[in-house]
Amino acid sequence: GAGVSQSPRYKVAKRGQDVALRCDPISGHVSLFWYQQALGQGPEFLTYFQNEAQLDKSGLPSDRFFAERPEGSVSTLKIQRTQQEDSAVYLCASHLRGVGFYEQYFGPGTRLTVT
Amino acid sequence: GIQVEQSPPDLILQEGANSTLRCNFSDSVNNLQWFHQNPWGQLINLFYIPSGTKQNGRLSATTVATERYSLLYISSSQTTDSGVYFCAASPTGANSKLTFGKGITLSVRP
Repeated sequence: GAGVSQSPRYKVAKRGQDVALRCDPISGHVSLFWYQQALGQGPEFLTYFQNEAQLDKSGLPSDRFFAERPEGSVSTLKIQRTQQEDSAVYLCASHLRGVGFYEQYFGPGTRLTVT
Repeated sequence: GIQVEQSPPDLILQEGANSTLRCNFSDSVNNLQWFHQNPWGQLINLFYIPSGTKQNGRLSATTVATERYSLLYISSSQTTDSGVYFCAASPTGANSKLTFGKGITLSVRP
């Protein structure tokens, strides 16, 4: 079946612009995660949804970052007033259940470059 | 929070050689995964292995949860094995967000 998909794959934004990154999880997956991967580093957790509920947003670096999943499927990560330090690959992952520990599957990522 | 450390940071192999990649973690875990990040940035699932041993072709993995480490074995390496290998873990009692190590960069030379 289809895996996790993300769009756009690449985004170039001028400093100060707002951007929106989309994630389509695997169909039926309850849990959805966003991670940020800086160049040469491992991914770092940003936020977690169980269905439409955002249960953990402890990794969001500032109040310029906002995520939503209004119908419990597709999720959008929005970054307002982008800064150069926001340049990174943004990865989305999903797993099947809400409670418990299950294998996470990752999308291909969106590479954001802020100029 | 949980700390995840991987070693060695870089590894260069001749095609056909075997290797062992190590992951140490600081707390008990309910989830541990190994990934291969290909040159296009895609994280490819290798193993979901919070404990025990699994094998998949030339790759195998072992997690000794009581001693807080996991090992990834690559046998008869091929040039296509090149890339970055990540270990990631979720600690017991937390939600299932993953904490990643810094990765191991593997180069397999023909």
